[in-house]
Order: sequence, then C-alpha cells, then structure tokens
Amino acid sequence: QVQLQESGPGLVKPSETLSLTCTVSGGSISSYYWSWIRQPAGKGLEWIGRIYSSGSTNYNPSLKSRVTMSIDTSKNQFSLQLSSVTAADTAVYYCARNMDVWGQGTTVTVSS
Amino acid sequence: QSALTQPRSVSGSPGQSVTISCTGTSSDVGNYNSVSWYQQHPGKAPKLIIYDVSKRPSGVPGRFSGSKSGNTASLAISGLQPEDEAAYYCCSYAVTYTLVFGGGTKLTVL
Repeated sequence: QVQLQESGPGLVKPSETLSLTCTVSGGSISSYYWSWIRQPAGKGLEWIGRIYSSGSTNYNPSLKSRVTMSIDTSKNQFSLQLSSVTAADTAVYYCARNMDVWGQGTTVTVSS
Repeated sequence: QSALTQPRSVSGSPGQSVTISCTGTSSDVGNYNSVSWYQQHPGKAPKLIIYDVSKRPSGVPGRFSGSKSGNTASLAISGLQPEDEAAYYCCSYAVTYTLVFGGGTKLTVL
C-alpha cells in the first residue's frame, strides 16, 4: 500500500524559501500526478499545484509566481519550493498522489 | 480562480440524511465530471470519499453518494452516524489544468 511522508523545516523565516519533500513508499512514483495542498490552522484546503512523473507541472494561479515543483524518480521523491514566504504561508502542508492518497501533513510556520 | 461555495455548516441527528452543496462555475464544476469530496476529522489528513462526481473508493460506505447538476455538485449522507461528524470539502478540476477546493462544510451530528 502506497504511503506518502512529507519532510522539511518546520520553521522558515519571512522572505526566505520554503522547501518540502514528499517521499513515496510502497509504490512507484511513475505515471501519477503528485500534488501539494496546504491548510492554514482552522481554515480550508488550498491546492498549490501538481507535477506529473514526466516533470510537467500545473500551479495554482494565485501562487504560480512563487512555486516550483520538481520530481526525482530515482529516489521516489517530489519536492515543493515556495519563495518569498510571509506569515500567510504558515500552514499544514500535505502531499498527495492523484488526490486520492495523502500524506499525514507537516506543519510549517513562517516567523522570524 | 475562486474557491467553490459550500455552506459553512450543516447538522443532522443520527439516522437522518443530510446534503452538502458545492457551487462553482462553468469553468470548473459545470464543465468537468471531475468533482471529488473529502472528509476530514480534526488533526487528520483529508480522506477521499467520492471522486468523479459519484464514484466511491473501495471501503467507503454506500451511505455516501455524490451527484451534480449544472454548476452545483452535492454530497448526500444517509443514515448519519456519530463518526460522520467532520469537515467536508469538495474539489473540482478547473480550466488550465488546475484544481480548486470548496471552503469546507462542518457537519455536526446532533
């Protein structure tokens, strides 16, 4: 059974770049869409974007200028970079496969 | 790209039925049969309960059903159980190959 695990710094300073990695276990990273979704405390879900195993990407238009996603099929991992972060980027960040299998989420706080 | 519109809260007693609506536009819900629904309990990751408007993943009870008419999708839950108390989110495919969520609905089982 495929499992996803997010990892990365829990604290990021304002104006810096948030970097997260999602490690896929129990299955191949090939031939799927891999998404990032976030959820500020007490608020709703926001789709950040997705990357296909080929490397093609689609991003949320509201975040597109700050988002970069990449994939490493040899490591069964994909990554999110969000630049110029502010306190508004503080949230639980989830990774997901085809939006049907989700990781447990990781909390990222933006603060100096 | 605006969020889909859901009621903030709904409630029902055990055994009753409730319906949660999800209203979008012709650029998302109305144009694609790719609406999904997620159930989220506090502190947990969302769980897929409906995909492609009305399909249920393996293991999801038949009490959960989905439908769509025009720009509005709906999630119906029959025979409410205490464990159904959670937040529910709709999600739709949208133009330019993006996805958009609804604002979420808090279901209270009285």
